[in-house]
Amino acid sequence: KQEVTQIPAALSVPEGENLVLNCSFTDSAIYNLQWFRQDPGKGLTSLLLIQSSQREQTSGRLNASLDKSSGRSTLYIAASQPGDSATYLCAVRREGGSEKLVFGKGTKLTVNP
Amino acid sequence: SAVISQKPSRDICQRGTSLTIQCQVDSQVTMMFWYRQQPGQSLTLIATANQGSEATYESGFVIDKFPISRPNLTFSTLTVSNMSPEDSSIYLCSVEKRGVGTEAFFGQGTRLTVV
Repeated sequence: KQEVTQIPAALSVPEGENLVLNCSFTDSAIYNLQWFRQDPGKGLTSLLLIQSSQREQTSGRLNASLDKSSGRSTLYIAASQPGDSATYLCAVRREGGSEKLVFGKGTKLTVNP
Repeated sequence: SAVISQKPSRDICQRGTSLTIQCQVDSQVTMMFWYRQQPGQSLTLIATANQGSEATYESGFVIDKFPISRPNLTFSTLTVSNMSPEDSSIYLCSVEKRGVGTEAFFGQGTRLTVV
């Protein structure tokens, strides 16, 4: 059974700092991994989708890497801003492409001005 | 991508009552997904809704408690029936789009509080 773990559960940083959020999964037989952002009490916004054959994806100040064999992904946020404050969730999809997503519990990020 | 509109965005309900959540997508999709996120927890899939057939429920979720409708390829509803305080959660509608890979998109969620 796939399990997804995100460390740390919460993170507080000063504005401008570069930071890394971690996601690990127990079964490396994944199809893809997706990073989401969730604002308090709201839905999820897709940030980055990384296929199992890819090593990384970039969007603006965000960079996601994937090491499938070791069961790890990182989300790098450059030059953090207070508007980046949110919970970041990662989710993996098993090989086959039609399998359901398995989510981690998220990392709650606070960027202090 | 996909734009998903979900209503209501939040509600406070009395125990024993039912609430129906609506989900509208801006394009036709084969499957729509309903998730629950309990306080401090991750997302859990409730069921998958296919147009023209019964929804497929995950272990621990039953149709009598969470009836789902899927009248067409852009719309679905989830009803939370006979609510108790344990049903207080965020309920989320999701669709998937196949491009380079299968990507999931979510509505803005319905924050339900049962008192």
